[in-house]
Parts: sequence; C-alpha cells; structure tokens
Amino acid sequence: DTEVTQTPKHLVMGMTNKKSLKCEQHMGHRAMYWYKQKAKKPPELMFVYSYEKLSINESVPSRFSPECPNSSLLNLHLHALQPEDSALYLCASSQDRASGGSRGETQYFGPGTRLLVL
Amino acid sequence: AQKVTQAQTEISVVEKEDVTLDCVYETRDTTYYLFWYKQPPSGELVFLIRRNSFDEQNEISGRYSWNFQKSTSSFNFTITASQVVDSAVYFCALRIYTGFQKLVFGTGTRLLVSP
Repeated sequence: DTEVTQTPKHLVMGMTNKKSLKCEQHMGHRAMYWYKQKAKKPPELMFVYSYEKLSINESVPSRFSPECPNSSLLNLHLHALQPEDSALYLCASSQDRASGGSRGETQYFGPGTRLLVL
Repeated sequence: AQKVTQAQTEISVVEKEDVTLDCVYETRDTTYYLFWYKQPPSGELVFLIRRNSFDEQNEISGRYSWNFQKSTSSFNFTITASQVVDSAVYFCALRIYTGFQKLVFGTGTRLLVSP
C-alpha cells in the first residue's frame, strides 16, 4: 500500500484566517515532506521531517508552520497568508533512514490540497 | 550543477501513437537515482520508476519503457500505443543527497493524447 492521504482537498481562506493542512501515511515511513507547487511549475520543497524532527526548512516564511505529531502524521499550519501563497500543497513520505542505508528511497506523494488565498 | 532538463514543454499526439519524453540530467555524484512521476489533472504525483546509476538496463512495464544512457546523461521515457488516460504532466527527477535527500525536478512535459 503506497497511500498518502491529505485533507482537505480544497481550501479557500482569507488573509487573516488560520487553517491547517493534514497529511497521513501508514507505510511505516520515517521521513515526511511538504512541497508547494504553483501552476505549470514543478514542486518546490518546503520542509523535511526525519524521525519526527524537522530536518530542513527551505527558507519558508514563518506564516507556514509545520508540525509532526507522530511518525504517521504531518500538519502544515497556515496563518496570515498572502494571495501569492495560493498553490497546490503536496505531502510526501519515504523510508529515509536517518543515517547510512540506501539513499534512493522513493518519495510517495499524496493527492494534494489546492489552496486559494483571497 | 545538479540539474534536470526536460526540453519538451508540451507534446500532443493522437491515441495509439508512440511518444517519447526526454530527460537530460547533470550531476557531480557517482551514485545517484533518477525518477519519473506522472501528474494527472487531479494533482497527485504518481511514482512510475526509480533507476540507480549502476543499473543501465532498460526497463519495460506494459506500455511504458525507459531508456537510461549514462554516456549521454539521459533517462528517456516512451509510451507505446498512447491512450487518452496518459494525458498528464510527466516529471523527471534526480535524487541528490546534501545531508538529506532532495528531489531535483525537471520543469515537466505536458502530454496531451487526443482520441
């Protein structure tokens, strides 16, 4: 089973709202990722969690706040977003051994959340 | 540089035609991994194949085949007898390791298969 689920599928929010995106996987993967994808562009990496610890923040503005409550769940908290933050937000997971091991684990993606900021 | 180039922005074919999507990569690593993903209009990135740098054998999976050539730094993807359901954006990606694993994506090729 290579399923990563994301909720909600669509989200419309105002610039003063606070909302959260959720991602879940039950493949026993220990690395989880958030990507942002604008129309007609490839996905851009935002955050990486490895073994429930934030490993990478790719210079993402603080209005995006990730959280990894456990090894199966990944949240992205949104606050005071701008219209240019409207995009498809994709979650992914991989086995990703923190040290050593294969470096080629495949990332499996969820269906994404389409976010519109008004 | 660690880079993936997909020079074909958009390809249109008629159903049952064969089509090849090109992918050229640059990497300074001796060990690396290449991937192809399909992104249908629904948005999900669907994993198609992973290939490591030590395995240059071509691969066939049903109507899909991949041609990996290190000599030309290419990892091309061919769909035989295309179908309307193949319409999607296809991304080629290179896995790099800079203390953590990161996918470097090409810009994608939009494939439109008409009936």
